[in-house]
Amino acid sequence: NAGVTQTPKFQVLKTGQSMTLQCAQDMNHEYMSWYRQDPGMGLRLIHYSVGAGITDQGEVPNGYNVSRSTTEDFPLRLLSAAPSQTSVYFCASSKMTGGYSPLHFGNGTRLTVT
Amino acid sequence: TQLLEQSPQFLSIQEGENLTVYCNSSSVFSSLQWYRQEPGEGPVLLVTVVTGGEVKKLKRLTFQFGDARKDSSLHITAAQTGDTGLYLCAGGGGADGLTFGKGTHLIIQP
Repeated sequence: NAGVTQTPKFQVLKTGQSMTLQCAQDMNHEYMSWYRQDPGMGLRLIHYSVGAGITDQGEVPNGYNVSRSTTEDFPLRLLSAAPSQTSVYFCASSKMTGGYSPLHFGNGTRLTVT
Repeated sequence: TQLLEQSPQFLSIQEGENLTVYCNSSSVFSSLQWYRQEPGEGPVLLVTVVTGGEVKKLKRLTFQFGDARKDSSLHITAAQTGDTGLYLCAGGGGADGLTFGKGTHLIIQP
């Protein structure tokens, strides 16, 4: 019963480095999303996808890219890391959008950019 | 932009006490969800309410959706140490996903 799997769990980057946060789900969910969680700011939506081949921007997309080549995978790419991207990143999936079905979250990636 | 405001931001009470946390907005939401998050883990759904005035009970937790679908409350009766966590409300209705409040950090002291 894997659900949503995120890797890595922890990562330290230097300013300017790039990396990809991996997210995979085994529930055949069409909707997937990436959030960042910062103290005092709550969860903010970065990018989302309503199905394979379809992605769109959320509230805070700058500095991040996504792609959705399969239903299962939704990687998040940091192109040139900045200290402002230090955060905890959560991937989530659900059967549908709109808030009627549960969002299933991974356990997060804690990213530090120095 | 739809905003959800949660209050209080922090709450620390003794085991056995009752408490209520609030989730308010000036916007109407088609649904309202409550999640609980423990340290080092992702949020986990507690309940979804979709009808104005709806009340749902989950053991000692009672959730209410306001008549106008702009606000919600979570009441915990006889709090236990296992209730400690971050409680997040989230409003639905947009195609992009949920709008989350900033959360209420709840600590139940033995």
